[in-house]
Amino acid sequence: DVKVTQSSRYLVKRTGEKVFLECVQDMDHENMFWYRQDPGLGLRLIYFSYDVKMKEKGDIPEGYSVSREKKERFSLILESASTNQTSMYLCASSGEQAGWSAREKAFFGQGTRLTVV
Amino acid sequence: GESVGLHLPTLSVQEGDNSIINCAYSNSASDYFIWYKQESGKGPQFIIDIRSNMDKRQGQRVTVLLNKTVKHLSLQIAATQPGDSAVYFCAELLSGNTPLVFGKGTRLSVIA
Repeated sequence: DVKVTQSSRYLVKRTGEKVFLECVQDMDHENMFWYRQDPGLGLRLIYFSYDVKMKEKGDIPEGYSVSREKKERFSLILESASTNQTSMYLCASSGEQAGWSAREKAFFGQGTRLTVV
Repeated sequence: GESVGLHLPTLSVQEGDNSIINCAYSNSASDYFIWYKQESGKGPQFIIDIRSNMDKRQGQRVTVLLNKTVKHLSLQIAATQPGDSAVYFCAELLSGNTPLVFGKGTRLSVIA
């Protein structure tokens, strides 16, 4: 089974702190994604990466950056956390597999609920 | 903005009844669609998917219907059980190199 692991389930950080959210997948997937999930707004794409050292902005990249130094790991960075970044953060990965092309079926981690105070 | 939306944000059904969750999409070029289930405190989990060259696909107790004429997607759950209570998301894949685009989700509540 594909496993996408996010390093923390819950985090509480102070305004202005630099925050790192880590995500690791074990299926050698090329593609990795960071979404944030807020009530009534669904999943919104922050950043994605289709290869090591590659990154693309999603729909809401402001206030975030990412790092993909190794294929299995995709980190989301909040340069200076603000209260409006309090949210559930979801990491996902996808890759070529039997029956699916690389951009199709994505697998999600359990999520990190971040609270910025 | 998002091209995938929902007709109903919440849905309550009696245990044992069939559930139908709807999703509208606006991009006729989308060629792949997928449904996810998200239980409380967990990440979304794959349920079923369908490609645009099909209009129906069945899984275990679930069926996805695709109507390309009106750009509508639905998820049918047969004999709904309490364990089906969750938020359900549809997502579409546009042509080109873009990631999945998700709808806002429908909360399904099963009444015992």
